[in-house]
Amino acid sequence: DQQVKQNSPSLSVQEGRISILNCDYTNSMFDYFLWYKKYPAEGPTFLISISSIKDKNEDGRFTVFLNKSAKHLSLHIVPSQPGDSAVYFCAASRLGGTASKLTFGTGTRLQVTL
Amino acid sequence: NAGVTQTPKFRILKIGQSMTLQCTQDMNHNYMYWYRQDPGMGLKLIYYSVGAGITDKGEVPNGYNVSRSTTEDFPLRLELAAPSQTSVYFCASRLGGTDEKLFFGSGTQLSVL
Repeated sequence: DQQVKQNSPSLSVQEGRISILNCDYTNSMFDYFLWYKKYPAEGPTFLISISSIKDKNEDGRFTVFLNKSAKHLSLHIVPSQPGDSAVYFCAASRLGGTASKLTFGTGTRLQVTL
Repeated sequence: NAGVTQTPKFRILKIGQSMTLQCTQDMNHNYMYWYRQDPGMGLKLIYYSVGAGITDKGEVPNGYNVSRSTTEDFPLRLELAAPSQTSVYFCASRLGGTDEKLFFGSGTQLSVL
């Protein structure tokens, strides 16, 4: 039962263009969402988050959009840079839970080409 | 500024052997977690702890044990290793409260042959 889904295993984008990574969730109790970036042989690192009271959060080149009615979120990277090439994980949680355990998607490998 | 430190980085075990994956954090975080990542899969929660002396099972706890005797350390014990435990293991921590951000270690690549 995959509660957080990233249906695109990989994405290739030219440098300078927009990268759009998508994530869908099924559990309507999720109210906080995070994106993590992972380079090979490293642990995931936090990128950006959004709570369910917002529909957009922006941090520099990174913007996360949340559509609660569609149970869908997306990460936009503009402009994309070669250093953005990594695996991106979407994660979701219920704020205020006993330990706020994160449920992760399967990841999307982004390759930014020159 | 070490953050979350995991040792070892790589390990090969024979079926039936046991080992402990070490995890320590220096951020005074209350919450600590162990995840495993199998190829092409997301991270699955094995065990977590909300503070020293308190641990609880996650999604995939079978074959593992944990302890939390101090705030800093959260070791993961594998007893009777099986090929199904071949995976990359990540330890993570977070401060607690409404701060949901997890800080991860660099991972332990474990192969059971």
